Amino acid sequence: RKEVEQDPGPFNVPEGATVAFNCTYSNSASQSFFWYRQDCRKEPKLLMSVYSSGNEDGRFTAQLNRASQYISLLIRDSKLSDSATYLCVVNKGAQKLVFGQGTRLTINP
Amino acid sequence: DADVTQTPRNRITKTGKRIMLECSQTKGHDRMYWYRQDPGLGLRLIYYSFDVKDINKGEISDGYSVSRQAQAKFSLSLESAIPNQTALYFCATSDRRFGNTIYFGEGSWLTVV
Repeated sequence: RKEVEQDPGPFNVPEGATVAFNCTYSNSASQSFFWYRQDCRKEPKLLMSVYSSGNEDGRFTAQLNRASQYISLLIRDSKLSDSATYLCVVNKGAQKLVFGQGTRLTINP
Repeated sequence: DADVTQTPRNRITKTGKRIMLECSQTKGHDRMYWYRQDPGLGLRLIYYSFDVKDINKGEISDGYSVSRQAQAKFSLSLESAIPNQTALYFCATSDRRFGNTIYFGEGSWLTVV
């Protein structure tokens, strides 16, 4: 079993829709969690950290469920510019980041 | 200008050749990393360095070596390139003072033929 698992997609949704991804992790001692966004052939960029209490940044909401060992990302009112691959990242401690393989999202006009 | 700069951005090399990928940063971060990305496998850590005198192997260090020449410079070498080292390579930085968030360079596409 992979340490961090994501549904690779692709997810194809119409503009304006709400879309959600989950990411599961296997190490219960994992300390911190992030979502990164990666555009085609570009470097990953931090989208948001994921806090235990959940956090929101504009149209994006991230949540952590430690009991079930998953994190989620919700995108509301999706825009064409949201089309990208979303990477789930788990910090196991001592700076050991583990990346999921990414979920590919395409927003259609 | 990018805060984390990688050179070369694209390189095609032959099997058995030595190739070096260079990374420099202007962020003033203490930690630097080299990752490779392959389709379907996500990003995997090759080497990381927490300061100039500290070098650590990541999960896939075989066939690679690194040098931390200065706080701002971290180079990755493939001593004898092989085709399965064809990948997209990313340098990254972080700093314990700023929550250790990882910032990536723009990537180096390496093809070994």
